Amino acid sequence: TQLLEQSPQFLSIQEGENLTVYCNSSSVFSSLQWYRQEPGEGPVLLVTVVTGGEVKKLKRLTFQFGDARKDSSLHITAAQPGDTGLYLCAGGSQGNLIFGKGTKLSVKP
Amino acid sequence: DAGVIQSPRHEVTEMGQEVTLRCKPISGHNSLFWYRQTMMRGLELLIYFNNNVPIDDSGMPEDRFSAKMPNASFSTLKIQPSEPRDSAVYFCASRIRDRGRPGGYTFGSGTRLTVV
Repeated sequence: TQLLEQSPQFLSIQEGENLTVYCNSSSVFSSLQWYRQEPGEGPVLLVTVVTGGEVKKLKRLTFQFGDARKDSSLHITAAQPGDTGLYLCAGGSQGNLIFGKGTKLSVKP
Repeated sequence: DAGVIQSPRHEVTEMGQEVTLRCKPISGHNSLFWYRQTMMRGLELLIYFNNNVPIDDSGMPEDRFSAKMPNASFSTLKIQPSEPRDSAVYFCASRIRDRGRPGGYTFGSGTRLTVV
């Protein structure tokens, strides 16, 4: 069974701080996606990474796919209250996605 | 584009009753997924369809759960009879299935089911 472990489970920081959240697996994935979910809504796709070692930037968010395509990280620079939400990683496997349980981020003003 | 549309947004029902959740995927998307989200277990895939055909229903908890996709623009997830442990948020998602590209999922806003 393929599993994605996300850490930390919860993170509470002040506005302006930097943070990194992690997504790890013992399995190799063909692709990995990051989603953000706000209360009462469904997850929204942020980025897809496909190549081992790939780095993608989305404004203050930096996503990296591990060389072996088993892990990924999300780094947020100068976090803002609008970044608050549940960050989910999802690995592509056999036509569907397997989701981690997420990191719940709270950014206080 | 209105996105993936789910109904109802909230459902409260008594144990033993039949519950039907509905989903309208994005027009042109050929894969549809039903997920269930709880605090304890996160997002769990229940079943998915490609071109209206069920591909993998191994995530369906038990025979009380069934899903159909009679056409490309509509799917239902039915629970009969419902039990309190079925209480969760149920999400429908769709995407364009392309062997060459890992397409992102578009999720609906979910149905929050409470079985009392």
